[in-house]
Amino acid sequence: DGGITQSPKYLFRKEGQNVTLSCEQNLNHDAMYWYRQDPGQGLRLIYYSQIVNDFQKGDIAEGYSVSREKKESFPLTVTSAQKNPTAFYLCASSIDRGAGELFFGEGSRLTVL
Amino acid sequence: QKEVEQDPGPLSVPEGAIVSLNCTYSNSAFQYFMWYRQYSRKGPELLMYTYSSGNKEDGRFTAQVDKSSKYISLFIRDSQPSDSATYLCAMSDAGGTSYGKLTFGQGTILTVHP
Repeated sequence: DGGITQSPKYLFRKEGQNVTLSCEQNLNHDAMYWYRQDPGQGLRLIYYSQIVNDFQKGDIAEGYSVSREKKESFPLTVTSAQKNPTAFYLCASSIDRGAGELFFGEGSRLTVL
Repeated sequence: QKEVEQDPGPLSVPEGAIVSLNCTYSNSAFQYFMWYRQYSRKGPELLMYTYSSGNKEDGRFTAQVDKSSKYISLFIRDSQPSDSATYLCAMSDAGGTSYGKLTFGQGTILTVHP
């Protein structure tokens, strides 16, 4: 079955540690996205990538980094510079950079202790 | 002021009720309008997709877009307990400076009780 796989589903980390969230898709989609979801705030865009080896900052990129070395993979690193990293992180993909449907993974919940 | 405003609720209705969910927006360049449904601890899934103004119906769900008022709605007829979820509106200008990035509302939490 085609889809987006995020791992891990739950993650606990101590303050000051970097953590990397995995996102893999087998939909052959060009575009991939990372969103952050906090209660009462909807989804906010962190980074997006329209094509391999290229990515752009979204609305809240500070304290995060990404890479897009393969079409299927778009990992997100939450660095120690992110002041409030505890959140639900959602990875998504779409066929192209147009206004097409976003397909989401099941999310990763990060808790920083 | 946020680009997209959505009443977060929570909204609680009895089974069989008609539910109305709404979003307002300020960016007149938005042309594509979507509603996503998100069950607890899951990723959102696309429910309805409309372009420009007008209505679109799919089973018990009807999406309306009024670009002149910058207002979109989702109606759920004969609501069921399985409709209990968070509903997120999303929109895009599919070009210009946003390259198709979606701007989401805050989400409305809906509970349909038997």
